[in-house]
Amino acid sequence: DTAVSQTPKYLVTQMGNDKSIKCEQNLGHDTMYWYKQDSKKFLKIMFSYNNKELIINETVPNRFSPKSPDKAHLNLHINSLELGDSAVYFCASSQEGRVAEAFFGQGTRLTVV
Amino acid sequence: GQQVMQIPQYQHVQEGEDFTTYCNSSTTLSNIQWYKQRPGGHPVFLIQLVKSGEVKKQKRLTFQFGEAKKNSSLHITATQTTDVGTYFCAGPGSNYQLIWGAGTKLIIKP
Repeated sequence: DTAVSQTPKYLVTQMGNDKSIKCEQNLGHDTMYWYKQDSKKFLKIMFSYNNKELIINETVPNRFSPKSPDKAHLNLHINSLELGDSAVYFCASSQEGRVAEAFFGQGTRLTVV
Repeated sequence: GQQVMQIPQYQHVQEGEDFTTYCNSSTTLSNIQWYKQRPGGHPVFLIQLVKSGEVKKQKRLTFQFGEAKKNSSLHITATQTTDVGTYFCAGPGSNYQLIWGAGTKLIIKP
C-alpha cells in the first residue's frame, strides 16, 4: 500500500498545454502539499492545504491551481505550460502540519517542450 | 522572511570518510527535521529533533540540535555507497509549511 501516490510519474507535453497531476494519500493526514524541485534540487513549497484552508506561496504563478475534492486528494492543475515549468513536482502529506514528518509521493517529472 | 541555510551544497568524500552537513535558521525553531533523497527518488524522513542540545543517533548517523535551537547538524561516520543522496533539513515556518534548507549532496568518489 503506497502511502502517498501521485500520477503520472512522467509527463512530457508541449508549451501552452494544460495538464493535471493527481495525488492521493491513504494515511488519514490533515495537511497536504505540493512542492516543486528544480534541477538544483531546491525544494520549493507551492501550496499547503489543511482542513479546506489553502495557503498559497505568493511566488507561484496563478497558472497553477490546486484542487482538493476531499481530504485524501490534492490535485495540481497547470494552465498554459511554459518551458520553465519543467521540474519534478512532489505531493506530500503530514498529520499535524508543519510540526510533523512529511510523507512524499514518488514525484512527477514534468518536461515541457 | 524566515530562512534555513544549509551548507555545504556538495561534499565529495572517499568511501569510508566522514560527512557533515550544517543547518542554520534565522529564527528559533520548535523542532528540526532531516530528510534523505536518493538519486531519482523522493525525500524520506530520517528524524526529528525537538529539545535544545538534543543528540540522536541512527547507526552511523548522528544528529544534533543546537542549544539555542537555531542550528543543527548531521554527521555520517565512515560513509558507504548506500549513503549517496541529498540530505535536507527543514524547520516549521508559518501556516502549515516547513522551511527547507537547500540540501547537501553527498557524492562518493570512485
